[in-house]
Amino acid sequence: DAKTTQPTSMDCAEGRAANLPCNHSTISGNEYVYWYRQIHSQGPQYIIHGLKNNETNEMASLIITEDRKSSTLILPHATLRDTAVYYCIVMRMNNNAGNMLTFGGGTRLMVKP
Amino acid sequence: SQTIHQWPATLVQPVGSPLSLECTVEGTSNPNLYWYRQAAGRGLQLLFYSVGIGQISSEVPQNLSASRPQDRQFILSSKKLLLSDSGFYLCAWARGSSYNEQFFGPGTRLTVL
Repeated sequence: DAKTTQPTSMDCAEGRAANLPCNHSTISGNEYVYWYRQIHSQGPQYIIHGLKNNETNEMASLIITEDRKSSTLILPHATLRDTAVYYCIVMRMNNNAGNMLTFGGGTRLMVKP
Repeated sequence: SQTIHQWPATLVQPVGSPLSLECTVEGTSNPNLYWYRQAAGRGLQLLFYSVGIGQISSEVPQNLSASRPQDRQFILSSKKLLLSDSGFYLCAWARGSSYNEQFFGPGTRLTVL
């Protein structure tokens, strides 16, 4: 499985963009990058995923480098409710069971007023 | 719309006692189902997954077992709990085709004393 490396924690001012980096230097060509977040004592919530092109949805943007060895999740205008642990996951595909997620330690994002 | 339920929300059990956690999904058919465990301050670990009734795959050797008696029901069990079984147990579902995101339930917090 491709492993990911994320900073343990980050702070961000409310209203500013939060940029969360992730290194996945051993990613294979057909492996996707997924981002989830987990607010304290809740189940993880899907944010976004991508293969090689940049992606954007109503929650965030995902920027993947051309060599695919790293990516950045961008929350354009962070709010206090965005305080959570953010997990960058490289998906190991299992044809029988769909996507198999391996969660690492994640980045604890603290949005401050 | 689809919803996923887990119960109980919290559970305190003595060492050596049995365990049964239940997960049900509504609003979809033939989902892939997953059980994860999250120890305190750690990332999520995939325990079991199921692609259909009666089909269970285990990701790690452990003291727990899983069963899928119905299409949208996934049960996590143990005959004798260990202290190390304490944690936050999360059930998730995904549509059967590949590269689909997983949707997580609210979780069960288990404390073994």
